[in-house]
Amino acid sequence: KNEVEQSPQNLTAQEGEFITINCSYSVGISALHWLQQHPGGGIVSLFMLSSGKKKHGRLIATINIQEKHSSLHITASHPRDSAVYICAVRSNTGNQFYFGTGTSLTVIP
Amino acid sequence: KAGVTQTPRYLIKTRGQQVTLSCSPISGHRSVSWYQQTPGQGLQFLFEYFSETQRNKGNFPGRFSGRQFSNSRSEMNVSTLELGDSALYLCASSSGQGSIGELFFGEGSRLTVL
Repeated sequence: KNEVEQSPQNLTAQEGEFITINCSYSVGISALHWLQQHPGGGIVSLFMLSSGKKKHGRLIATINIQEKHSSLHITASHPRDSAVYICAVRSNTGNQFYFGTGTSLTVIP
Repeated sequence: KAGVTQTPRYLIKTRGQQVTLSCSPISGHRSVSWYQQTPGQGLQFLFEYFSETQRNKGNFPGRFSGRQFSNSRSEMNVSTLELGDSALYLCASSSGQGSIGELFFGEGSRLTVL
């Protein structure tokens, strides 16, 4: 049983396209994180959410606590956005972290 | 401000040996968490420390242990290494006192067990 499910697993887009990555979770949470990992690289935290919506540049993250669902949107995608995007949640019981399997995004020029 | 520093970056061990990995958090951060990343299992939570106390632990055998020092630096130890312990071990630091805090990751320590 996976506490965090991401979709799609793989995504190829043309430069400039609007991209959405989805994350659903089954546990009660205190926070949800969106992480970015470039090939061979470390992990960068993009957003931490506990409610509502956050925006940073071309990236937007939303969360619906009632529906246990979050989305990461990338507007005007660029080849440098090519990376693996990982959804992670921190449960509000036991403070455990659970991770999605990641979405591998490739943006073609 | 310096980022999260993990040492060593790469290491090779043989089965049965033990290994210690180090993580120096961002200055002022008191929370350090550890993760294992493998191609098959993805990212998995190992444990988290705050002010020298282990706050929680993931579902790993007792061969995996850790500690945090008074300067917030943390170490994790894996004893009696198995081939399946080959992985990228990541640590993250956070300023969050409770369960809410942005995570800042180190570059990881890549362990190969032969």
